[in-house]
Amino acid sequence: AQKVTQAQTEISVVEKEDVTLDCVYETRDTTYYLFWYKQPPSGELVFLIRRNSFDEQNEISGRYSWNFQKSTSSFNFTITASQVVDSAVYFCALNGNKLVFGAGTILRVKS
Amino acid sequence: NAGVTQTPKFQVLKTGQSMTLQCAQDMNHEYMSWYRQDPGMGLRLIHYSVGAGITDQGEVPNGYNVSRSTTEDFPLRLLSAAPSQTSVYFCASSYKGILGELFFGEGSRLTVL
Repeated sequence: AQKVTQAQTEISVVEKEDVTLDCVYETRDTTYYLFWYKQPPSGELVFLIRRNSFDEQNEISGRYSWNFQKSTSSFNFTITASQVVDSAVYFCALNGNKLVFGAGTILRVKS
Repeated sequence: NAGVTQTPKFQVLKTGQSMTLQCAQDMNHEYMSWYRQDPGMGLRLIHYSVGAGITDQGEVPNGYNVSRSTTEDFPLRLLSAAPSQTSVYFCASSYKGILGELFFGEGSRLTVL
């Protein structure tokens, strides 16, 4: 069975702080993909990143970075120098034969 | 491009009523899916389709029907609405099936009284 756990229900930070959102997954598949999606207060869901199970290189995109570690089955997401516009719900997702989402982490960035 | 279009955006039903949530995409994506979003539970897969004429059940299919007669359209039918189906529903499509980035509609907020 596939499972995604986002243990942090809600995180509050002050603008310019760095913040890491945790994602731990379970799967028996050897080939799988991991995703992060963002849901801002307006409600739409926006794709952020996809990573396959054979690529453990960390990825950086501007203030966003992702740390994929197969040894700990984690795919964590860090926002550097957070901004108010980063306030959103962030979902981690995993697919093997079906796409499964975590429960999401609410990030509140205060000015 | 319109992307993924869902209608209606808001709907209130009484218990036992039926309705159809419409979903259309203009990106020629083979893969389409329906999710429901409930507080604290993330998005849960209801039904999905890998192409016209092919549908399959997801994690929470009970009480919902789907069909896929064309590549563009993937309607979700509630046969006899129940208060437990109060939720926000998202339709999504992908050009690479389940391996690809999902493009989501704006969501449909359904309340069942």
